[in-house]
Amino acid sequence: KAGVTQTPRYLIKTRGQQVTLSCSPISGHRSVSWYQQTPGQGLQFLFEYFSETQRNKGNFPGRFSGRQFSNSRSEMNVSTLELGDSALYLCASSLTSSGETQYFGPGTRLLVL
Amino acid sequence: QKEVEQNSGPLSVPEGAIASLNCTYSDRGSQSFFWYRQYSGKSPELIMFIYSNGDKEDGRFTAQLNKASQYVSLLIRDSQPSDSATYLCAVKMDSSYKLIFGSGTRLLVRP
Repeated sequence: KAGVTQTPRYLIKTRGQQVTLSCSPISGHRSVSWYQQTPGQGLQFLFEYFSETQRNKGNFPGRFSGRQFSNSRSEMNVSTLELGDSALYLCASSLTSSGETQYFGPGTRLLVL
Repeated sequence: QKEVEQNSGPLSVPEGAIASLNCTYSDRGSQSFFWYRQYSGKSPELIMFIYSNGDKEDGRFTAQLNKASQYVSLLIRDSQPSDSATYLCAVKMDSSYKLIFGSGTRLLVRP
C-alpha cells in the first residue's frame, strides 16, 4: 500500500506570496492532519480534517487554511507569506475517525525569501 | 509548563547498550501515547504506540507507560548506530483529534 504523498517536496517563495501544498493520504485513510516543523518550535499542529470537515485547528493565524476533498486528499494554503513561515510542512493520515496512529508523509520544505 | 516534555539531549550511548528515552505530559486526560523516530532531513516514522499502563514490547523497542506519574518512556535494547536519530514523544489528549509533540530527544549511538 502506498504511503502518504505530499507535493511539492520543495518550494521557494518570496514574502507576500501565497502557497498551496497538497497531501494524498494512505488509501482508505480518512483523517488528515497538518503540522509545521521548525528548529525553534518543533512540531506544531495546524489542523485536522475528516470527511471534508475541519475538526480541530491549532494556534496559527488565519493566513493558514486548509481543506479536504471527497477523496480525502487535502490541501493547505498559506497567504501573505512571511519569513517565519519557512518550515517543513508535514501531512499525516490515519485510518480511524479518532485520528490516532498517524502516518507522516515526506513533507514539503518551504523557504520564504 | 509545556504539555509534553522531553530532554533535548543529545543522549549518547555506546553500540549494544540500552538507550532510555523519557517523556512527561501534563494532561491527565491523555489517552494515547506514541513514539516517532525522525532522521535528519526526513519525516517522523512511527515506532510504537501504547494506551495502557505497563510495558509494550516490539522487537528491540519497549514502551513503558505510567499514567499516575504522567510518564512514558522508550527503551531501545542493543542500540545500533542506525538508531541515531531524534525521538519524538506524542500524546493524544482526551477528546481531541490532534497529537501534541514533545521537542524530541536526539540519540547518538557511538560505534
